[in-house]
Amino acid sequence: DTAVSQTPKYLVTQMGNDKSIKCEQNLGHDTMYWYKQDSKKFLKIMFSYNNKELIINETVPNRFSPKSPDKAHLNLHINSLELGDSAVYFCASSLWEGQPQHFGDGTRLSIL
Amino acid sequence: EDKVVQSPLSLVVHEGDTVTLNCSYEVTNFRSLLWYKQEKKAPTFLFMLTSSGIEKKSGRLSSILDKKELSSILNITATQTGDSAIYLCAVEAGGTSYGKLTFGQGTILTVHP
Repeated sequence: DTAVSQTPKYLVTQMGNDKSIKCEQNLGHDTMYWYKQDSKKFLKIMFSYNNKELIINETVPNRFSPKSPDKAHLNLHINSLELGDSAVYFCASSLWEGQPQHFGDGTRLSIL
Repeated sequence: EDKVVQSPLSLVVHEGDTVTLNCSYEVTNFRSLLWYKQEKKAPTFLFMLTSSGIEKKSGRLSSILDKKELSSILNITATQTGDSAIYLCAVEAGGTSYGKLTFGQGTILTVHP
């Protein structure tokens, strides 16, 4: 059973398009996160939600909008994609804030 | 701004060797330090170290937190090719940043047969 699953695994699209990445966790965790891993392998937090409420919102362009319909799902919508958005996006979850985070396999986004 | 620095950036060893990976940090209101192993996909959790748990061990892997020196080490003894991965260190802040992890750039470990 996959604990944290993201779809799609790969996303290739053109500049200016709008795309979404979905994330679901079946661990019963309260807190979910989105991270961006750039070409230098740095993982940087973007957002976190605790039981559907936004907790962490780092300095991320407002083209990125997270949505949490319920505590098991945290989706990421990106408008007007730019070349610099190319990266691997990881979803993660934890039992609650401050507990170890468990990561999904990532979505590799490539902008042409 | 919180900061995590890992060293070395990369390391190549042979099976059976022992390796030590380093992590140093600057963080406001430190709460915990975590180690992750990243192979091809998802980072997988290894250890979490806090003020009340400064040493952890699991099989051939062990980790120590030095709060005075603001650093941690991850030791792997009798390395195997399956240990080849990127090892990530992260620190968690408390206060208004509770739950926020700041990651280092990782150490790429390659174990040759």
